[in-house]
Amino acid sequence: GAVVSQHPSRVICKSGTSVKIECRSLDFQATTMFWYRQFPKQSLMLMATSNEGSKATYEQGVEKDKFLINHASLTLSTLTVTSAHPEDSSFYICSATLRTAVFPSTDMQYFGPGTRLTVL
Amino acid sequence: QQQVKQSPQSLIVQKGGISIINCAYENTAFDYFPWYQQFPGKGPALLIAIRPDVSEKKEGRFTISFNKSAKQFSLHIMDSQPGDSATYFCAASRANAGKSTFGDGTTLTVKP
Repeated sequence: GAVVSQHPSRVICKSGTSVKIECRSLDFQATTMFWYRQFPKQSLMLMATSNEGSKATYEQGVEKDKFLINHASLTLSTLTVTSAHPEDSSFYICSATLRTAVFPSTDMQYFGPGTRLTVL
Repeated sequence: QQQVKQSPQSLIVQKGGISIINCAYENTAFDYFPWYQQFPGKGPALLIAIRPDVSEKKEGRFTISFNKSAKQFSLHIMDSQPGDSATYFCAASRANAGKSTFGDGTTLTVKP
């Protein structure tokens, strides 16, 4: 259980175009999803926190107009990179939170497989 | 301000040996400490996690040791195998807050 999918796994686009990445929790409902960006040989950099039915909370330095996040349902969040440029090329990873029912309850994060974005 | 410090940055271990990765945190409000394993080109996978009410948790060859007073926790991989070669991230969070702070990662290479 606790499977998170991302689509697409790889995308190549031209500079100036927009790209949408989908994140789905396949077998559980996730009230909270997170979007990360990861550069080669580096740690995960949190971009934003996405809650179903409300606006995303962006980390400092992340342009909300450039990285549009929509959390339409308890199983789907999307990240749209608008007017992409080569510097946006990166590995984007989402995670979905599953709160355990067993006491003490814990919010466990399950990650998607990631999306490799290359902007030419 | 980095709230979770992880060491070493890279680690080379012979097959069958013990791999040890250490993390230290600063925020005493953290009460959930997971470890993730990431293979190249893949997303991180939850490996094992611990809450501060216990000092050790073991799952198969993987053990977390937790020292609350020192604000440190470590991952031990017993009988390390080449298939364990990956990047390992420690993390810390408040158990019901979801948002995690990650260490910088340790690249483990297990030589046959």
